[in-house]
Amino acid sequence: NAGVMQNPRHLVRRRGQEARLRCSPMKGHSHVYWYRQLPEEGLKFMVYLQKENIIDESGMPKERFSAEFPKEGPSILRIQQVVRGDSAAYFCASSPPGQGRQVHEQYFGPGTRLTVT
Amino acid sequence: AQTVTQSQPEMSVQEAETVTLSCTYDTSESDYYLFWYKQPPSRQMILVIRQEAYKQQNATENRFSVNFQKAAKSFSLKISDSQLGDAAMYFCAYRSRAGGTSYGKLTFGQGTILTVHP
Repeated sequence: NAGVMQNPRHLVRRRGQEARLRCSPMKGHSHVYWYRQLPEEGLKFMVYLQKENIIDESGMPKERFSAEFPKEGPSILRIQQVVRGDSAAYFCASSPPGQGRQVHEQYFGPGTRLTVT
Repeated sequence: AQTVTQSQPEMSVQEAETVTLSCTYDTSESDYYLFWYKQPPSRQMILVIRQEAYKQQNATENRFSVNFQKAAKSFSLKISDSQLGDAAMYFCAYRSRAGGTSYGKLTFGQGTILTVHP
C-alpha cells in the first residue's frame, strides 16, 4: 500500500505566479488535511477535506488560497499570486473514513517545499 | 481553541541514555487524543506514539513511552536506550475527539530538536 504522495517535492515560483500542490492520499483514505510549516516552526493546520467537500478551512488564509478534493484525482492546494511569505513546506496527510467518532491516525506525505523568489 | 506548548527548543542525549521531552497543552475538552510525531532531516512526519485521553494507562511503543498527566495537562515523551537514528525534531500534537467539523485537525507544538551524541 503506497503511502501519501505529494508532488512536486520542490516548487519554485516567482512572486505573482500561481502554485499548485498535489496530494494523493493512501488507498482507501477519503479524508485529506493540509498543513503548512514555516521555517523553524511547527506545522499549522490549513484545511480538512473529504471527497468533494471542505469540512474545516479555519486555518486557510481568506485570500489567494483554495483547496479541493474532487471525486476523482488528487487533492489540490492552490495558491494564487504567491508572495515571499508563502515560502514554506506544505504537508498533506490522509486518514480513512471514521466510524462514528472514531479517530484515526493521520499519515503524512513527504511535503512540498515551496520557494517564492 | 486548543494550544500545545513545547518549552524545550533543543535537547541532547548520549547514545544508550534516556531523555524526556516535555509537552503541555490547554483545552477545555475532556475527550481527545495526544500524539508525538518525529520529523527527521528528510522532513517526513512519522507517528511515534499516541495516547487516548480517556485511558489512564500510559502508552508505550518499544523504547518510547509517555507520561500522561491529564489533570496537569502534561504529556511528556520518554525515549529509552537512545539511538543515533532518534535524532530528529519531535512534535507534540493534540486532536479533539469531540464531534463537529473541527475534530479532524491536529494542533502541533513548536517542536524540540533532539541531538543524540555517540
